[in-house]
Amino acid sequence: QVQLVESGGGVVQPGGSLRLSCAASGFTFSNYGMHWVRQAPGKGLEWVAVIWKDGSKKYYGDSVKGRFAISRDNSENTLYLQMSSLSAEDTALYFCVKDIWDRGNYYVDYWGRGTLVTVSS
Amino acid sequence: EIVLTQSPGTLSLSPGEGATLSCRASQTVNSGYLAWHQQRPGQAPRLLIYGGSNRATGIPDRFSGSGSGTDFTLTISRLEPEDFAVYYCQHYGSTSLPRLTFGGGTKVEIK
Repeated sequence: QVQLVESGGGVVQPGGSLRLSCAASGFTFSNYGMHWVRQAPGKGLEWVAVIWKDGSKKYYGDSVKGRFAISRDNSENTLYLQMSSLSAEDTALYFCVKDIWDRGNYYVDYWGRGTLVTVSS
Repeated sequence: EIVLTQSPGTLSLSPGEGATLSCRASQTVNSGYLAWHQQRPGQAPRLLIYGGSNRATGIPDRFSGSGSGTDFTLTISRLEPEDFAVYYCQHYGSTSLPRLTFGGGTKVEIK
């Protein structure tokens, strides 16, 4: 079955950096685009970034553009999110999410459990 | 950029009752790009409906999606205890820029 397991979260000071990882299993990782989505405490869902299945294209939400970088290693079935210049507004649970295109339908079908990033001094 | 507005913000209902959740888009969207996700307390979201009306694998048939254009609906025919959760509609931007847009969510709580 599909599994997405995030790691790398923790407490970081404002202005600091952190790298999140997402280990994927149960599907052919290199065949699918992948997203990061975050959720601030008690808030809704916010899209962060997407990466094409081969890593050739990457897009970011406006609130993280220029500070975050999404990448992937298809040989290791792992998705990454490098975060820098962190502020309190980046405090959130970060989810790794699998993309799918299926017969004219375009959506995300599996979510990881998330890893918590807390930006605090 | 598409904005999704969900209503109501909170629904207070009893088990066994039906629920109707609304998602309105700021412009016409292709229903193939519209999905619904459920988030139970303390859990990750999970896909319920894709393509506007297709149930995801393992989703009970008491959940149904409908709509077109700018107005979409998630209906839960008879609420089970495990259905009390927050529901998000979600739009997939496009195949050239697949940004995800989420509605603000509807919380279905026990009355």
